[in-house]
Amino acid sequence: EVRLVETGGGLVQPGGSLRLSCAASGFPFSDYWMSWVRQAPGKGLEWVANIKQDETEQYYGGSVKGRFTISRDNAKNSLYLHMNSLRVEDTAVYYCATTGAVRFDSWGQGILVTVSS
Amino acid sequence: QSALTQPASVAGSPGQSITISCTGTSSDIGNYNLVSWYQQYPGKAPKLMIFEVTKRPSGVSNRFSGSKSGNTASLTISGLQADDEADYYCCSYAGTTIHVVFGGGTKLTVL
Repeated sequence: EVRLVETGGGLVQPGGSLRLSCAASGFPFSDYWMSWVRQAPGKGLEWVANIKQDETEQYYGGSVKGRFTISRDNAKNSLYLHMNSLRVEDTAVYYCATTGAVRFDSWGQGILVTVSS
Repeated sequence: QSALTQPASVAGSPGQSITISCTGTSSDIGNYNLVSWYQQYPGKAPKLMIFEVTKRPSGVSNRFSGSKSGNTASLTISGLQADDEADYYCCSYAGTTIHVVFGGGTKLTVL
């Protein structure tokens, strides 16, 4: 059974940084593209970033490009999202997800990031 | 404002069929057969229901079907059941610059 568990969320001040982690199990992690998708409170889904199996390709949504970095450690079956220069509008539940051809097959339970002074 | 346009809400009675539309442009839905649909219950993670316009993942009921015409994709749910009441989101590939776009979501109410 695919299991994705996000950690690292919490309250951070505007301009601050945070690193999210996603621990994967139940499937061959190194064989899959992976993504981060977020959802602001009461709002819709927004794609954040994705990363190829071997880290040779990463892509970002326009609102986070230049501030967020996606990475992975296949030896640890883990996905990361490094978030810098955080803004109030980055407040959201962040989900990690396995990624097929521009589809998100399996999702974690999500982790809340709150950016507020 | 979301890149793909969905109705904010739809409603239907048990046993009926409903269709949720998702309108994009020739740069996303109209140019790629990479539309997916997600079901989300309040406080829960989304679940993949349809991918590549018409395909259902293993375990998803055949009451859910997808289609596309031009720049508009559609999700049809037949034989509505009470537990179909949820939010539904469409998603499409949008090329090498924007990559992925979502719709704003549609709240389905089963009357």
